[in-house]
Amino acid sequence: EVQLVESGGDLVQPGGSLRLSCAASGFTLSDFGMNWVRQAPGKGLEWVSYINTRSTIYYADSVKGRFTISRDNAKNSVYLQMNSLRVEDTAVYYCARDWLDVCLDYWGQGTLVTVSS
Amino acid sequence: EIVLTQSPGTLSLSPGERATLSCRASQTVSSTYLAWYQQKPGQAPRLLIYGASTRATGIPDRFSGSGSGTDFTLTISRLEPDDFAVYYCQQYGRSLFTFGPGTKVDIK
Repeated sequence: EVQLVESGGDLVQPGGSLRLSCAASGFTLSDFGMNWVRQAPGKGLEWVSYINTRSTIYYADSVKGRFTISRDNAKNSVYLQMNSLRVEDTAVYYCARDWLDVCLDYWGQGTLVTVSS
Repeated sequence: EIVLTQSPGTLSLSPGERATLSCRASQTVSSTYLAWYQQKPGQAPRLLIYGASTRATGIPDRFSGSGSGTDFTLTISRLEPDDFAVYYCQQYGRSLFTFGPGTKVDIK
């Protein structure tokens, strides 16, 4: 069974940093691209970042230069390093598996990041 | 960047009725790269349709997708109580994914 479990969400002050982790199981992580998608409270879905099997990386303009996605296939994990956090980064962050750049076929349950003073 | 617009914002229907949700793109989207998701309160999104019209594994056949170019549609033939949720369309292109703002289907 495919499972994605996010962790690392917390309350952090504006300008601070946080590292999210996504633990993958039930499939071979090295065979799939992975994404981070976020959802601000009461709002819609916003794609954040993508890393493919060759570690080609893309970011949404809203996080470019502040967030860094990475993967460690040996540890079955994907990460999102978030720096220079802003109040508007407050959201539930989901890890989602990419299927052939077509869709996101499995999602974790999300981890909450709150940026507030 | 391709912008997706969904209509209506909210659809109020009764169980057993037919739901028709629209997703319009600001530029042509390849059907291969158009997907639909369902999200219930407090839950992660769930993939319903990919490639504009192919149901994901385990999705009931009352859900169907259609469309091409800039206009896509998700149809729920007969609403069941479990179908009341928010639905998002999503496209992939030019190195990024984008989502529509969502359509909420609620009970009339």
